[in-house]
Amino acid sequence: DTGVSQDPRHKITKRGQNVTFRCDPISEHNRLYWYRQTLGQGPEFLTYFQNEAQLEKSRLLSDRFSAERPKGSFSTLEIQRTEQGDSAMYLCASSPGQGDYGYTFGSGTRLTVV
Amino acid sequence: AQSVTQLGSHVSVSEGALVLLRCNYSSSVPPYLFWYVQYPNQGLQLLLKYTTGATLVKGINGFEAEFKKSETSFHLTKPSAHMSDAAEYFCAVRGGGAAGNKLTFGGGTRVLVKP
Repeated sequence: DTGVSQDPRHKITKRGQNVTFRCDPISEHNRLYWYRQTLGQGPEFLTYFQNEAQLEKSRLLSDRFSAERPKGSFSTLEIQRTEQGDSAMYLCASSPGQGDYGYTFGSGTRLTVV
Repeated sequence: AQSVTQLGSHVSVSEGALVLLRCNYSSSVPPYLFWYVQYPNQGLQLLLKYTTGATLVKGINGFEAEFKKSETSFHLTKPSAHMSDAAEYFCAVRGGGAAGNKLTFGGGTRVLVKP
C-alpha cells in the first residue's frame, strides 16, 4: 500500500483549456474525497464518492467541474474551460468509510492557469 | 452545519518553547475533531483525532490536544518546539456517527520556529 497517489503533481495550462487530474486511493478505502486549497486557506470540500456513487457535491463545484469514479477505484476530476480563479492545489483523500477515521491525503495537484 | 475557527493565522515560537494553536468549532451534532499538519507542497498528514472517550488525545511528534465541550474548543499543544515543527496546521471537524461525511477545515495556522 503506497498511500494516496495523485497525478500530475503540477499542471500549468492556458485559460480556456481543459484539464484532468487523477487520484488513486488506498485500495481498501471505499470513500474518496476531492478538496481545493488556495494559497493561505484551508482545504475546501468539493465532492465525495462512496464506491462509484457520487454522494455529495459542493456548490463550489460549478458546471465546468466534473468528477468520476467509474469502477469505485481511481477517480478523475476534470475542469473545462479553465479560468485563472481555478488556480489552486487540488487534494484527494480516501477513508475506509464512516466512523472515526481521519482521511489519508495525497500530495495534491497544483494547477496554475495562465 | 459545522465550522472551524483557528485563532491566529501565524504563530512564531522559539525552539524549546511551548506551542499552542487554538481551534474552536461549531457543530450541530457531537463532533469528531482532527488536527492535520501540512509541509510545503505536500498533502495533509493526520496529527491526532478526537472521537469519543478521553478528552485529552495524544498524537504524533509529541503533540496533544484537549477536547473541551463547554468551550467548543480543541486546542493543540506541544511542550517544546523543534525546528521540524515549522509547518501549517489545520483543525477540522466532522459530524460523528451517521452524520459524519465530509471534513470541514479551519483556515490554518502557520508556525514559524526561531532558533
